[in-house]
Amino acid sequence: NAGVTQTPKFRVLKTGQSMTLLCAQDMNHEYMYWYRQDPGMGLRLIHYSVGEGTTAKGEVPDGYNVSRLKKQNFLLGLESAAPSQTSLYFCASSYSLRDPTNEKLFFGSGTQLSVL
Amino acid sequence: LAKTTQPISMDSYEGQEVNITCSHNNIATNDYITWYQQFPSQGPRFIIQGYKTKVTNEVASLFIPADRKSSTLSLPRVSLSDTAVYYCLVGDIVNYGQNFVFGPGTRLSVLP
Repeated sequence: NAGVTQTPKFRVLKTGQSMTLLCAQDMNHEYMYWYRQDPGMGLRLIHYSVGEGTTAKGEVPDGYNVSRLKKQNFLLGLESAAPSQTSLYFCASSYSLRDPTNEKLFFGSGTQLSVL
Repeated sequence: LAKTTQPISMDSYEGQEVNITCSHNNIATNDYITWYQQFPSQGPRFIIQGYKTKVTNEVASLFIPADRKSSTLSLPRVSLSDTAVYYCLVGDIVNYGQNFVFGPGTRLSVLP
C-alpha cells in the first residue's frame, strides 16, 4: 500500500513549455486534490475532483488544467509554464464517505517545479 | 467557509506542553475542526479531528469549547522532532472537497 504517489519529484522547465504532473492513489479514495505551496505560505488549492470524470476549480486555478479519467489518477497540466508557477506541488486524496472519522487528507511527497 | 486565525509562530522548549489556539468565529453547525502537521519539504499529515468538547489520540489532544468559536491543539511534552508547521482547518464534512483550504499555519520551533 503506497498511499499517494507523485511523479516526478523534481522538474525544471523553460517558460512556455508544457508538462503534466501525475498523482496516483491506491486507497480507493473518491476525492483528489492538487495544491501548491510557496515559501512561507500555506497550501493553496488549485483544482480538485470529487470522483472519476469530475473536476472543479479551487483558489488558484488559472494556468492549470486537470483530468480524472481513472479513479486512482489525478493529472495536473501546465500548458504554457510561467516563472510564477515555480512552486512545490502536492497532491492529496480523501474519502467521500459521510463518516467524519474518515474525512482526512492523505498527501503525496510533493513535486518541486522550477520554471526558468 | 469558516475562516481560521492562528498565531504565525511559537517557540517552546523540549519537554514542555504546547498549546496552539485557532479562532473560527463563523464556524457552521456542520463544520468539523481538523489539524494537520507539516515538516519541511513534506506533505501535511493528519493529526486530530473533532466536533466538540475534547478529543485525544496518541499524538495530541484537541479542546473545543461549547461555543466552538475556537479550538486548541495541545501537544504534550514536545521534542525537537515536533518542530513543524501546524494547520487548523474548519469545514463541512459533506462539502469537504470545497473546504480543504489551508491558511499559513503556525510555525512551531522546539528548542533544546
